[in-house]
Amino acid sequence: DAGVTQSPTHLIKTRGQQVTLRCSPKSGHDTVSWYQQALGQGPQFIFQYYEEEERQRGNFPDRFSGHQFPNYSSELNVNALLLGDSALYLCASSTDSYSGNTIYFGEGSWLTVV
Amino acid sequence: KNQVEQSPQSLIILEGKNCTLQCNYTVSPFSNLRWYKQDTGRGPVSLTIMTFSENTKSNGRYTATLDADTKQSSLHITASQLSDSASYICVVSALGGGYNKLIFGAGTRLAVHP
Repeated sequence: DAGVTQSPTHLIKTRGQQVTLRCSPKSGHDTVSWYQQALGQGPQFIFQYYEEEERQRGNFPDRFSGHQFPNYSSELNVNALLLGDSALYLCASSTDSYSGNTIYFGEGSWLTVV
Repeated sequence: KNQVEQSPQSLIILEGKNCTLQCNYTVSPFSNLRWYKQDTGRGPVSLTIMTFSENTKSNGRYTATLDADTKQSSLHITASQLSDSASYICVVSALGGGYNKLIFGAGTRLAVHP
């Protein structure tokens, strides 16, 4: 049983460009959350998707957008990249964010903006 | 404001020794508290989950405690191994709008030396 898979693992983009990161949740999970983790910091919540709808959102600008597909996979899009967007982007999946069930994280996508 | 603070920021111990990491939180309404282990450049891996009514939970050499009255938690690592070198992140879930919102601490960086 594959866990949470993310792609790409590493990428380099130029300031002002756009990037799309992808996430496949663990089998049986229907809720996907995205986090940004700067070096030496804890993850910061970007948003959460459930039933193809954005259910919660953290304090991130509209440049950060997402999508969830019928098969529960998800994408994170970042427009007009800034140097400060360089970070590890983590995807987490669960069955339902309301319960105390285990939340599984992917290995992350390292984004470097130059 | 919901916050999770961890101490110490970093810690160095010798292989075979025990250590205790601390987590203080001001999160309301509280749902549950999780400890994650994050190897450098990897996604976090769940160690324990505790609800309001649980005081202690073990996972192998890892034992987490929770004092919901003082809003404190600790993670005790017994007989440390070199592979325990990682960041340990305390995550508290807050209930809001029917959903769990995860608040992450900045983590404690543990280095186990031979």
